[in-house]
Amino acid sequence: GAVVSQHPSWVICKSGTSVKIECRSLDFQATTMFWYRQFPKQSLMLMATSNEGSKATYEQGVEKDKFLINHASLTLSTLTVTSAHPEDSSFYICSARGRGDSQAKNIQYFGAGTRLSVL
Amino acid sequence: AQKVTQAQTEISVVEKEDVTLDCVYETRDTTYYLFWYKQPPSGELVFLIRRNSFDEQNEISGRYSWNFQKSTSSFNFTITASQVVDSAVYFCALRSRYNQGGKLIFGQGTELSVKP
Repeated sequence: GAVVSQHPSWVICKSGTSVKIECRSLDFQATTMFWYRQFPKQSLMLMATSNEGSKATYEQGVEKDKFLINHASLTLSTLTVTSAHPEDSSFYICSARGRGDSQAKNIQYFGAGTRLSVL
Repeated sequence: AQKVTQAQTEISVVEKEDVTLDCVYETRDTTYYLFWYKQPPSGELVFLIRRNSFDEQNEISGRYSWNFQKSTSSFNFTITASQVVDSAVYFCALRSRYNQGGKLIFGQGTELSVKP
């Protein structure tokens, strides 16, 4: 299957600092990428959807100025948690869906996730 | 509205037992896709299967099989002769072809524990 790489896998930072998480589709071009947040023992909560070259669409209740998403190329999207606070500590997962002519068409492939701890 | 329900929060079985994970979905769309993902303790979601709404054929892949029934809006997943490595959280998900920007609607997940 298609591979999505997410880095870092875990990060610890001080309150008030910003953290950037990268999501790359390694063997396919991702026209659409998604960012999720997952709390312990819960399902995935979609934060935003981004299409290459355009602004991300945020879900209701997600602060766009807090969680900056950039999808600059067909293989890379980044999520920046700005001025992180302890309540932002969570597991963040990205996924990517390929173009219509790719093996990843209509299937979201997921990264391994990033565990963020804000002290 | 679209919704996915996985009524079983946790299931515990002994190795080599068969286990079925239930998934019931709701959608008004006639064209949609159903998915199963596995999330082991490491956290990564692993894609298992996609089924589109026009394909009601059941599928078997090794010890895994899926039963899709539109009449009952169900897409159940059976693991035959379970193994410890099958221990994970399993998510069922729905995506409408035309609505909601292609978002996946996830169920709450079923945590499967396979004991030796």
